[in-house]
Amino acid sequence: EVQLVESGGGLVQPGGSLRLSCVGSGFTFSDYWIHWVRQAPGKGLVWVSRVNGVGNGNYADSVEGRFTFSRDNAKNTVYLQMNSLRDEDTALYYCARVVGPTTIAGLDVWGQGTTVTVSS
Amino acid sequence: QSALTQPASVSGSPGQSITISCTGTSSDVGSYNLVSWYQQHPGRAPKLIIYEVDKRPSGVSTRFSGSKSGNTASLTISGLQPEDEADYYCTSFTTRHKYVFGSGAKVTVL
Repeated sequence: EVQLVESGGGLVQPGGSLRLSCVGSGFTFSDYWIHWVRQAPGKGLVWVSRVNGVGNGNYADSVEGRFTFSRDNAKNTVYLQMNSLRDEDTALYYCARVVGPTTIAGLDVWGQGTTVTVSS
Repeated sequence: QSALTQPASVSGSPGQSITISCTGTSSDVGSYNLVSWYQQHPGRAPKLIIYEVDKRPSGVSTRFSGSKSGNTASLTISGLQPEDEADYYCTSFTTRHKYVFGSGAKVTVL
């Protein structure tokens, strides 16, 4: 079964850090772009970041300079290091896979999400 | 990057067709055929229903179809069914090589 599983969320104070993990299984992990998308409580979807199979990618303006992605294909895992967290980063964070190795858009496999709460 | 503009709500009766618009700019929707649509039921992860403007992933009902004209993309749901009641989001690749989601549209089946 093709799946993604996120972990690492939690409660953190403003200015703090968290590292999210996204583990993939059931497919050739290194062939696919992996995206992070977040959803604040009761709000819409917001794109956060993406990383390709060789570790290149980019970020939304709102997190650039504070968040850093990385990737370990040997562990089928993508990470999102989140530093200098703000109240507005509070959200459910999803990782998701692009629909195919030859495209860059369309996220067909999503994890269940991991909740990040930034509060004092 | 501002969110793509979608109507807040769209409704229809069972069996009818509805269309959800997604309006962007020449820097996103108008520049690439890289618009996707997602369906999200409450408490669930989003589900991809259309990618690259008009392609349906395997297993997605043919009642869902996508199109684009200029800076506006559209999702049409034909033969509306009760299980189609959900939130729908569009997204587009942008000229800055980033992605922007729409504001989301709530579909109600009357």
